[in-house]
Amino acid sequence: AQTVTQSQPEMSVQEAETVTLSCTYDTSENNYYLFWYKQPPSRQMILVIRQEAYKQQNATENRFSVNFQKAAKSFSLKISDSQLGDTAMYFCAPKFANTPLVFGKGTRLSVIA
Amino acid sequence: DGGITQSPKYLFRKEGQNVTLSCEQNLNHDAMYWYRQDPGQGLRLIYYSQIVNDFQKGDIAEGYSVSREKKESFPLTVTSAQKNPTAFYLCAANRGGIKTNEKLFFGSGTQLSVL
Repeated sequence: AQTVTQSQPEMSVQEAETVTLSCTYDTSENNYYLFWYKQPPSRQMILVIRQEAYKQQNATENRFSVNFQKAAKSFSLKISDSQLGDTAMYFCAPKFANTPLVFGKGTRLSVIA
Repeated sequence: DGGITQSPKYLFRKEGQNVTLSCEQNLNHDAMYWYRQDPGQGLRLIYYSQIVNDFQKGDIAEGYSVSREKKESFPLTVTSAQKNPTAFYLCAANRGGIKTNEKLFFGSGTQLSVL
């Protein structure tokens, strides 16, 4: 079975600082996609960033970037210049072939003023 | 605006009662999904449907039922067999279904509680 582990249930960061959320997964597949979703207090799920496993270059979306280590099966999310609006639950979600998206248990991030 | 509409926002169930959560989309997406969210558990898949009149069980389908009579609608019924239904329920959709890597679009959710 393919599993996803987010080892940090809760984290906090000072405003304007940088924080990294970790995610590891287990799969025997070679081609897949990886997603990070954000769920703010409104509980609306929002896509943050997406990485394709066959691409060596790490994906970047403004202040959000990933550190994708395929051999280690690791997909961490880095948030730079943290803002109060980044306070949310963050879910790592791998997408393997012919299966629905699998979500980790999430990391609750609090940005402190 | 295109999107996914879930209703109601809050729902209360009495013992032994079946309740139905509504999910409607105007994105013209083929696939629709139901997830359950409990505190500390992340999102777990209940059912999904990739085409009208067809659906598959997810990881936690027991006590739930669905139908897909129209492309834009995918209602979820929480039956009396579901002994612990209190949770936040999220509906999602994407183009192409599980064979693609298209992102999921989510509704705003329904909070179900037991009276």
